[in-house]
Amino acid sequence: AQTVTQSQPEMSVQEAETVTLSCTYDTSESDYYLFWYKQPPSRQMILVIRQEAYKQQNATENRFSVNFQKAAKSFSLKISDSQLGDAAMYFCACTTSGTYKYIFGTGTRLKVLA
Amino acid sequence: NAGVTQTPKFQVLKTGQSMTLQCAQDMNHEYMSWYRQDPGMGLRLIHYSVGAGITDQGEVPNGYNVSRSTTEDFPLRLLSAAPSQTSVYFCASSYQGRGSYNEQFFGPGTRLTVL
Repeated sequence: AQTVTQSQPEMSVQEAETVTLSCTYDTSESDYYLFWYKQPPSRQMILVIRQEAYKQQNATENRFSVNFQKAAKSFSLKISDSQLGDAAMYFCACTTSGTYKYIFGTGTRLKVLA
Repeated sequence: NAGVTQTPKFQVLKTGQSMTLQCAQDMNHEYMSWYRQDPGMGLRLIHYSVGAGITDQGEVPNGYNVSRSTTEDFPLRLLSAAPSQTSVYFCASSYQGRGSYNEQFFGPGTRLTVL
């Protein structure tokens, strides 16, 4: 069975600083995908970044990047130059080609301090 | 291209009432799913479908029914609402296939309160 664990219920960061959100996962499949989603107060789920397990290179999207450690089954999200608009819930998720199921972590609430 | 749409956005039910949450997508995605979001629990998978006529249970299926008669629509039925089903419900869809990112697209959510 797949599991996704986010051990930080809440994090804070000063505006313009860098913050890292942690995520660990477990799956027995070799073909899987990892995602970070952002949920602002509007409730809409927004894809932040994605990573295919077979790619060794860490994904990057502007100020967002991941540290994908396949052997450790770790998938952390780094937000650089944090902005007030980054304040939201962030969810880590995993899906595999075999199960077609997406499993989400419990989320990390990020607060950005002015 | 409307993406994933959900209706209604808000709903209040009394215990024992039934209702259907509607979900539709116009991206021709094979995969559709329903989640519930509760504080501190993240998103939990209720039911999912990998194509018309094919559905399966997720982590928390009890009290919910689904059907998939078309690629576009995936309604979620609450047969006899209970206060424990008070939650925010999300519908999502994605393309499934090798070489794709399998990204899920989400609807705006339905906030359901059962009194």
